[in-house]
Amino acid sequence: SAVISQKPSRDICQRGTSLTIQCQVDSQVTMMFWYRQQPGQSLTLIATANQGSEATYESGFVIDKFPISRPNLTFSTLTVSNMSPEDSSIYLCSVVYQANNEAFFGQGTRLTVV
Amino acid sequence: DAKTTQPNSMESNEEEPVHLPCNHSTISGTDYIHWYRQLPSQGPEYVIHGLTSNVNNRMASLAIAEDRKSSTLILHRATLRDAAVYYCILRDVTGGGSNYKLTFGKGTLLTVNP
Repeated sequence: SAVISQKPSRDICQRGTSLTIQCQVDSQVTMMFWYRQQPGQSLTLIATANQGSEATYESGFVIDKFPISRPNLTFSTLTVSNMSPEDSSIYLCSVVYQANNEAFFGQGTRLTVV
Repeated sequence: DAKTTQPNSMESNEEEPVHLPCNHSTISGTDYIHWYRQLPSQGPEYVIHGLTSNVNNRMASLAIAEDRKSSTLILHRATLRDAAVYYCILRDVTGGGSNYKLTFGKGTLLTVNP
């Protein structure tokens, strides 16, 4: 199994500001993903974090709003930019090891934008 | 992505078996059937997966219909800690382990009564 540390676990932010969420894994992983879970909803994939190159975004998500970095195989960041109340959600990091059939998820970052 | 259909909610009594159904009538030959669950205030966790044959692990059993158009997750003895949202997800393995994007539906909210 993977030990995934997400920071911060929660935050309350002012609209118009940005927040960077960190995801640290205890060992090298093949794939890292970022998901969003809006209040009372299921999870939606934001993007695949690619090591050493630009992230691959899903439909409806853009780099300017959700810039992602992945400088190595154990670490990634997601920034929520120019926040509005509609960005209030739980943001989750997920990792997959090569040749593994399980995805592991962090505990999530609960973001409230006021 | 092929879609799944699950009941919105189910209820069970502690120490009784629970059968959680999932319909996936448009499943393709390269789709694995995955089950994840999300306990309150936590990220999702892997439960079990299968392709054609029934599968057992320490957490649950997965029964797959012969035509693969439906499956059932079986919890043999429900405990209060099994109360969670259970997601049935189809994962297309075309492209091998590099394709691990998960599309979450609304899942089934399982309530376990003491």
